[in-house]
Formats: sequence, structure tokens, C-alpha cells
Amino acid sequence: GQSLEQPSEVTAVEGAIVQINCTYQTSGFYGLSWYQQHDGGAPTFLSYNGLDGLEETGRFSSFLSRSDSYGYLLLQELQMKDSASYFCAVRNMDSSYKLIFGSGTRLLVRP
Amino acid sequence: DGGITQSPKYLFRKEGQNVTLSCEQNLNHDAMYWYRQDPGQGLRLIYYSQIVNDFQKGDIAEGYSVSREKKESFPLTVTSAQKNPTAFYLCASIQTGQNTEAFFGQGTRLTVV
Repeated sequence: GQSLEQPSEVTAVEGAIVQINCTYQTSGFYGLSWYQQHDGGAPTFLSYNGLDGLEETGRFSSFLSRSDSYGYLLLQELQMKDSASYFCAVRNMDSSYKLIFGSGTRLLVRP
Repeated sequence: DGGITQSPKYLFRKEGQNVTLSCEQNLNHDAMYWYRQDPGQGLRLIYYSQIVNDFQKGDIAEGYSVSREKKESFPLTVTSAQKNPTAFYLCASIQTGQNTEAFFGQGTRLTVV
């Protein structure tokens, strides 16, 4: 089966750096994506890693290592508005277009 | 503006009744998805469709049904066979290709009493 595991909750202070990990068990996928969801809202796309390595988009960076079945989202210069849930996701490398999400990590940013 | 529209935002139904949740997209995306989210939990895949007139069961399809008669529409029916239907339901779509940037609707919060 397929599964993506994330820590359930992370707490950090404003201005700090936080890393949210995602470990997965799946065979053959196109890449690892990250989404942000505020309470009561819809998930929104943050980043995508098709290849191993680091992708940077402003304050957010994402990393993928296929050999380690591992990825992470790095949030720098944390702001209060970053308090939200973060999900990793993968789409199968077959013709089905099945898209599955991790269990989610709730980030709480404190003043 | 292009996007995904789910309606209604809040829905109340009596136990034992079937209910259909609407999902419409004007992004010209081929693939569409339905997810269920319970409080404090992740997104669990109910059904997905990569092309008109074709769809596949996700991880928690029991008690749900879908149709894909048009590219832009992917309605979800929550049947009376679903044991615990109260949840937040999210519809999403992606364009075919390798990038998995999914676009989501604003969700429908279903409460069964």
C-alpha cells in the first residue's frame, strides 16, 4: 500500500525556522508536493519536487530524497499567518492519476 | 476567473437520506478528486476520475458514489450506506501531466443528524 507519514504537530516562535518532515512508502511516483491549509479552508499548493534536491520559493523551501524515501518542507522567518496545517502529497507513476496526501502537520507559530 | 466551485458550503441531512454534493470546475482539467477530511485529520481519497465516463475507487469509497458525465462536473453522492457521513468534503482537480499542483474547491461541510 501507499502511505505518507508526517509529525502531527509542530510548534515554533515567530521569526524562527521550522522543518516539517514527510516519509513515504510508495512505489513509483512523479514527485512530492506540499500544501497549506488554514482552519476551515481549502488546501493550497506550495511547492513541488520532481527531482531530488532542494526547491526554494521565497520563505518556503522543499527537499526530496528518493533514495531515503523522505522529504521536508522548510519554513523560514516564520510569521503568525503561517499557523496552519501542512500536507505532503504524491501522485502515482501509472496511468491512474491517483493522488494521495499525508496525515498532515499542524504548525502553531507563537509570538 | 477559473476555479472549482463546490456547493453548498454547509449541508444538513437526516440520517438515512442520500445527499449529492456538487463540484464544478472551469479550469479545463482532466482529473478530478473527492476527499473526506475529519477534524484534525488528513485528506482521505474517496473517488477520482481522470477522464469523462471513467472513475476509480479511492481508499474509502464504501457508502459513496460518483459520476463523470461532463469534463467540468464530478458530483459525489453520500448514500445511506455510509456509516459516519458527517465530515468536510473537498473536491480537487489537476491538469494531466507530471506536476501534481491540485486546485481545491472551498469544501462542503456535511452534517447528518
